[in-house]
Amino acid sequence: GAVVSQHPSWVICKSGTSVKIECRSLDFQATTMFWYRQFPKQSLMLMATSNEGSKATYEQGVEKDKFLINHASLTLSTLTVTSAHPEDSSFYICSASAHRSPLHFGNGTRLTVT
Amino acid sequence: QKEVEQDPGPLSVPEGAIVSLNCTYSNSAFQYFMWYRQYSRKGPELLMYTYSSGNKEDGRFTAQVDKSSKYISLFIRDSQPSDSATYLCAMSPRYAGGTSYGKLTFGQGTILTVHP
Repeated sequence: GAVVSQHPSWVICKSGTSVKIECRSLDFQATTMFWYRQFPKQSLMLMATSNEGSKATYEQGVEKDKFLINHASLTLSTLTVTSAHPEDSSFYICSASAHRSPLHFGNGTRLTVT
Repeated sequence: QKEVEQDPGPLSVPEGAIVSLNCTYSNSAFQYFMWYRQYSRKGPELLMYTYSSGNKEDGRFTAQVDKSSKYISLFIRDSQPSDSATYLCAMSPRYAGGTSYGKLTFGQGTILTVHP
C-alpha cells in the first residue's frame, strides 16, 4: 500500500528559530500533498494543500508567511515553520494520495517550541 | 454546528465485544467516507473507505453509510486489546478531476479501549 514517510518525528526548537519538516511519498508519485495540524485530544485540521510545481493553497486563518510549503518534486513536500513560537507547538501530519486513492498519512512530527 | 460530529467517548469495552462508532454530517456535498485509526503519537492509519451508501466489509470491520440520513458507522467485531486507539471518521466532497479524497474533514475522534 501507499507509504508516506515524515521526518523528523520529534523536534524541539527555541522560540524565534525555524524548523523544516519533510514529507515523502515512498512508493508513488503525489502531485498533491496535504499538511494537517493536530492539538492534543483534538482532531486534525487541514492547514494547506501542497501542489507540485506551484504555490500551496492555504486554509483560512493559516499564515502562509509563517508556514512555508515547498513541493519541489513529485515525492517530496516540506513545511517550514518560521520564527516559531510556543503556540506553534503541535503535532504536524502530512498526507498524500496516489491517483484516485484515499489519503495515507505520515507518522507525524511533534514540534515543541521552548 | 460542526460539519462532522463524532462522539468523543471514551468508549471502554471487554475483549470480544462488538464496537459501534458513529458520525453524523451536515454537508450534503460529502461523497467519500473514510475511517482512520490513530494510535498515540502516530499518524492516522486508513481502515476503510467508501463512496456509496450501504455496507462494506473488511475482515472484522464493517463500514456503513446512509447518505439519506447523513450518518456513517464503523463496526468492529470480536474486538481485541490491540484495537484500542482513537478512531476518526473523515469525509470529503467530490471534485471534478484532481484528487477526490484530498481535503478531508475529520470528526473529533472516538477514544476506544478494549480491555482483556
